[in-house]
Amino acid sequence: QVQLVESGGGVVPPGGSLRLSCVASGFNVETYDIHWVRQAPGKGLEWVSAIWYDGRNVFYANSVKGRFTISRDNSKNTVYVQMNSLRVEDTALYFCVRADTNLAPFHYWGQGTLVTVSS
Amino acid sequence: DIVMTQSPDSLAVSLGERATINCKSSQSVLHSSSNKNYLAWYQQKPGQPPKLLIYWASTRESGVPDRFSGSGSGTDFTLTISSLQAEDVAFYYCQQYYVSPFYTFGQGTKLEIK
Repeated sequence: QVQLVESGGGVVPPGGSLRLSCVASGFNVETYDIHWVRQAPGKGLEWVSAIWYDGRNVFYANSVKGRFTISRDNSKNTVYVQMNSLRVEDTALYFCVRADTNLAPFHYWGQGTLVTVSS
Repeated sequence: DIVMTQSPDSLAVSLGERATINCKSSQSVLHSSSNKNYLAWYQQKPGQPPKLLIYWASTRESGVPDRFSGSGSGTDFTLTISSLQAEDVAFYYCQQYYVSPFYTFGQGTKLEIK
């Protein structure tokens, strides 16, 4: 069965860095696009980044472009997002999500990992 | 980016009554070649990730009760709960998946019991 498990969240000061991990099971990350979606405390859902099944095409929301980098380790069936130059407004629960195909809704969600940017 | 706007922001409905949530997209999400609307609805309860309820604007996900239905086309969509149950208290979000992979969400609607 499909599972996505995020980790790596924590408390970091403004300007700091964190790397989030998403370990996938029940499927091969080389076969599906993987996305990150975040939710600030008490707020709605914001799409953040995606890496396509081919591992070559990566995409970012304007709010994180130039600061976040998404990548993948096929041998570990894991997707990462390296977050640099963190801002207070990056504070959120970060979900790893998967659709069944391109141009499809998100059928599978992880439980999320919390990132808090605070001095 | 396609902007998704939901209304209302919050809604209180009596048990057994109908609940209606609206979603408007800033451009059409109807794909002409497939004649499908690339629009989904999610339900999120406290402490849980969102759960997919409806996709292609009106197709219920497996296991979703038939009191949930989706309608609409182009830029205007509606999620209807025909007879509100206590377990339906949650936030509801619409999402467009028309522009890959920049899938945007509505701001959410909080549904409560009156």
